[in-house]
Amino acid sequence: GAGVSQSPSNKVTEKGKDVELRCDPISGHTALYWYRQSLGQGLEFLIYFQGNSAPDKSGLPSDRFSAERTGGSVSTLTIQRTQQEDSAVYLCASSLARLGQYFGPGTRLTVL
Amino acid sequence: QKEVEQDPGPLSVPEGAIVSLNCTYSNSAFQYFMWYRQYSRKGPELLMYTYSSGNKEDGRFTAQVDKSSKYISLFIRDSQPSDSATYLCAMSAFWGAGANNLFFGTGTRLTVIP
Repeated sequence: GAGVSQSPSNKVTEKGKDVELRCDPISGHTALYWYRQSLGQGLEFLIYFQGNSAPDKSGLPSDRFSAERTGGSVSTLTIQRTQQEDSAVYLCASSLARLGQYFGPGTRLTVL
Repeated sequence: QKEVEQDPGPLSVPEGAIVSLNCTYSNSAFQYFMWYRQYSRKGPELLMYTYSSGNKEDGRFTAQVDKSSKYISLFIRDSQPSDSATYLCAMSAFWGAGANNLFFGTGTRLTVIP
């Protein structure tokens, strides 16, 4: 079966531009997570969706970051006015009620 | 102090060696412990999970939890070059999807040399 997919796989952008990252979770998975992974920093939690609602946005690093999920499926993470410190790999994961989260391959974002 | 501490390595071992990967944690409420394997330019994949203290074995992999010491380990027997990856520990106090309830270590990069 299909796993979690993310697009684009790589994104290079200029400082100050907006970017949109997409996540397609495993079909039927109600929970969806976004993480950021920087070199040597481990996984940084950004936001969690249960269905279309986001009960926990506590990890979003600034108001330049936002995310939405529609139809209980696809999610988009938007970063406005990108900064160089936003450069990282952005990972999406999905799960059912069980704790095991299934990760996508990530989007590698480079802000020049 | 971070919730979860993990030595980032890198760790290099010869093929066939026994590998020991470890994490320590500070939150005594953690009950569920996971190990993820992440190959280069891929997302993490769940390798094993355990509940509370004790051992769990799956093929060449053994996960061990010592709650009294707040210390977990992953042992890899007869290590293979294909085991070369970054290994992340993760843990939670709760079972079930929800919020920011999964805490990850920074990962240990392992290289198995043929």
